[in-house]
Amino acid sequence: DIQMTQSPSSLSASVGDRVTITCRASQNIYTYLSWYQHKPGKAPKLLIYAASSLQSGVPSRFSGSGSETDFTLTISSLQPEDLATYYCKQTYSTPSFGPGTKVDIK
Amino acid sequence: QVPLQESGPGLVKPSQTLSLTCTVSGGSIRSSNYYWSWIRQPAGKGLEWIGRVYPSGSTNYSPSLNSRLTISIDTSKNQFSLILTSVTAADTAVYYCAREDTGWNTFDYWGQGTLVTVSS
Repeated sequence: DIQMTQSPSSLSASVGDRVTITCRASQNIYTYLSWYQHKPGKAPKLLIYAASSLQSGVPSRFSGSGSETDFTLTISSLQPEDLATYYCKQTYSTPSFGPGTKVDIK
Repeated sequence: QVPLQESGPGLVKPSQTLSLTCTVSGGSIRSSNYYWSWIRQPAGKGLEWIGRVYPSGSTNYSPSLNSRLTISIDTSKNQFSLILTSVTAADTAVYYCAREDTGWNTFDYWGQGTLVTVSS
């Protein structure tokens, strides 16, 4: 099984801040990496696929980068509606999610 | 839009069987462009992929649940289902069904989720 880790596990930032979340895979997953946003009581939402491709309809302040084992999700200017938990997920083999990063607004 | 809707009992007794169905509206479950997956989230924990079914009926399961899990598809009803046997309190979670595209294997549409509690 491919194990996914994320850091930090939680963060608190101000509106307008640049936020970066890191995801690491236990082996090379090339760019089979996607990012999801999950708000309480709602279904998760796909943000990024293929490590850096923005899903249709997702604001451009979200971006992804990385390959092989190290990946990042960046929110260029944090907005109040970005309060959520963010998960990375690999699909190089049977899917597995990272443990999540909870983003709070200061 | 491809709405998905989970249905099934919200309460299951320990050692019994959990059964859920996902009904897909607005698109054919027969399409070869998609797989159909189940994901769950225990309270206070992260997302866990459970397994998927292909339109052909083939399946892939999470290794940790493989011995207790069956996922099936009914193309005539545009539904797919999950059966999890011998449940314990650890199976208490919000269960989501989702559409998975066959390109990059992303979950692009999700149901709203249904809470299943395992308790006597």
